Amino acid sequence: QQQVKQSPQSLIVQKGGISIINCAYENTAFDYFPWYQQFPGKGPALLIAIRPDVSEKKEGRFTISFNKSAKQFSLHIMDSQPGDSATYFCAAETGTYKYIFGTGTRLKVLA
Amino acid sequence: EPEVTQTPSHQVTQMGQEVILRCVPISNHLYFYWYRQILGQKVEFLVSFYNNEISEKSEIFDDQFSVERPDGSNFTLKIRSTKLEDSAMYFCASDEGQGFSGANVLTFGAGSRLTVL
Repeated sequence: QQQVKQSPQSLIVQKGGISIINCAYENTAFDYFPWYQQFPGKGPALLIAIRPDVSEKKEGRFTISFNKSAKQFSLHIMDSQPGDSATYFCAAETGTYKYIFGTGTRLKVLA
Repeated sequence: EPEVTQTPSHQVTQMGQEVILRCVPISNHLYFYWYRQILGQKVEFLVSFYNNEISEKSEIFDDQFSVERPDGSNFTLKIRSTKLEDSAMYFCASDEGQGFSGANVLTFGAGSRLTVL
């Protein structure tokens, strides 16, 4: 119930391509879904987040698509760049001050 | 840009020893957290802290662990009698606690890597 399942585990994309990372959850009490980006040796940094009352949120090249009925959400990175190479974590929260993270996706964008 | 500062960046300790990991949260933040990440695995919640007391803790946060904010700025995680499986990256995080429910935006530190031999 408290898990957030993330896929794929790793992803290789050509420069300029679209990177898509998917997450699914079970707990319908989750009401906030952030995506975090982590570079080697650094802590996770908030990239973009969405609440379940909207189906999509876009910030620059990054878009979250949210499907409440399917309990799924995904991160789309348009025009992927080598600088986007990092590990991406989806997360979910119920407003009780703790995040449940997915297992992470290691993205490599080839130049 | 304000940041969460953690020390040490890396600590090596012998099994059974006690370690203290330190964090300086962002100054106007009210909520503090510890998470850990075992190498190659997901980030796991340990504990949240508000108003000088624990708000919530996970099943991982047993009697071996304790947190405190001794001087109003530092936020520490103490691990007593360390075990091999405590080896992980420990992240401190904080948030200012404003906004609507479910909008907590955590700012993470760079982490403290703990290696237990």
